[in-house]
Amino acid sequence: NAGVTQTPKFQVLKTGQSMTLQCAQDMNHNSMYWYRQDPGMGLRLIYYSASEGTTDKGEVPNGYNVSRLNKREFSLRLESAAPSQTSVYFCASRTKGVDNYGYTFGSGTRLTVV
Amino acid sequence: SQKIEQNSEALNIQEGKTATLTCNYTNYSPAYLQWYRQDPGRGPVFLLLIRENEKEKRKERLKVTFDTTLKQSLFHITASQPADSATYLCALDRVDSSYKLIFGSGTRLLVRP
Repeated sequence: NAGVTQTPKFQVLKTGQSMTLQCAQDMNHNSMYWYRQDPGMGLRLIYYSASEGTTDKGEVPNGYNVSRLNKREFSLRLESAAPSQTSVYFCASRTKGVDNYGYTFGSGTRLTVV
Repeated sequence: SQKIEQNSEALNIQEGKTATLTCNYTNYSPAYLQWYRQDPGRGPVFLLLIRENEKEKRKERLKVTFDTTLKQSLFHITASQPADSATYLCALDRVDSSYKLIFGSGTRLLVRP
């Protein structure tokens, strides 16, 4: 009953470095999402994958890329990190068609870019 | 553009009282509205979902109302406890293939013993 697992939990990057945030869910959910959360800004959608094999941009996609590796895994890549990408990143998943349930979130990755 | 407003000022109440949190939205016609709880350092946790054709929904000590005319949802916690202290997020949803949610920035609730 792991739910949504994100790795790493914490990361410090230097400006210009790259990294990939990993996310995996074990609930057989179709849709997966990446959000960032900044103080006073709420959760903002970066990218999403409505189903395996598809990905689409959200509200703030610039500077990020994603890969939906299979139904379980959805990774977020920062190619050249910038201080403006310092944030807490959350991955979430949701099953299709079951409208009594909301998103299941991971515990987050706290990223600092210096 | 779409906008969701939650009171950014923390709500501070006495244990045993009813907490009422507000979510207002503009330029949006959601099919569903959801409420989440978020504790410090943790991801949001789903609490309740209410459909556009439902006026009210209850779950234990929680009650949510949804007024599509006023474009407002109220979230009530009755007989509040210190363990209810957290940030509560409102999120809007509509029926399309993406199942995307748009979140408000949340209201922090502090329940004093």
